[in-house]
Amino acid sequence: QMQLQQWGAGLLKPSETLSLTCAVYGGSFSAYYWSWIRQPPGKGLEWVGEINHSGRTNYNPSLNSRVTISVDTSKSQFSLNLTSVTAADTAVYYCTRGGGPYTYADSWGQGTLVTVSS
Amino acid sequence: EIVLTQSPGTLSLSPGERATLSCRASQSVSSSDLAWYQQKVGQAPRLLMYETSNRATGIPDRFSGSGSGTDFTLTISRLEPEDFAVYSCQQYGWSPPSTFGQGTKLEIK
Repeated sequence: QMQLQQWGAGLLKPSETLSLTCAVYGGSFSAYYWSWIRQPPGKGLEWVGEINHSGRTNYNPSLNSRVTISVDTSKSQFSLNLTSVTAADTAVYYCTRGGGPYTYADSWGQGTLVTVSS
Repeated sequence: EIVLTQSPGTLSLSPGERATLSCRASQSVSSSDLAWYQQKVGQAPRLLMYETSNRATGIPDRFSGSGSGTDFTLTISRLEPEDFAVYSCQQYGWSPPSTFGQGTKLEIK
């Protein structure tokens, strides 16, 4: 069964860059789309963006200017960079797997709490 | 973007009872483009239903989904103790962004 394991810095100051990486174990990395979804404390889920193995990306327009998702197929990993973070970016960030572009997430990483505070 | 509104915000029921959760979209959503997730405290969400009425792998048949257009429903026929959690709907068919409802908390009465 495919597993997603994620890591990255959990505490940032305003204006810094959020960086998270997700490694995929088991199964075909190239067969899926890979997404980031976040959840502010006590709030609902927000789709951040997605990428496929060839590097094709789709981003949430509300974050488009600050977000970059990249892929390293040699390691079966994908990464999220979010620049110029503010307190509003404080959230649990999840990496997920989807069967194609703009689809549901059928496998999730464990989540990483990222707190932005001065 | 499409806004999903879930109701009620909190639903208090007892084990064995039937739960009906609603997800209403601000504009029409294809029935192929609606999913439901279950999330327990401190855990990642888990996919329950996709394409409105298809159960994900390992999901028991007491869970069912229905709806079309702007109104969708998740039904749990007989609540088990492990079903008490937060449930969120998602629409994913439009060009970005995919959006989620704010969630319904299903709590033990």
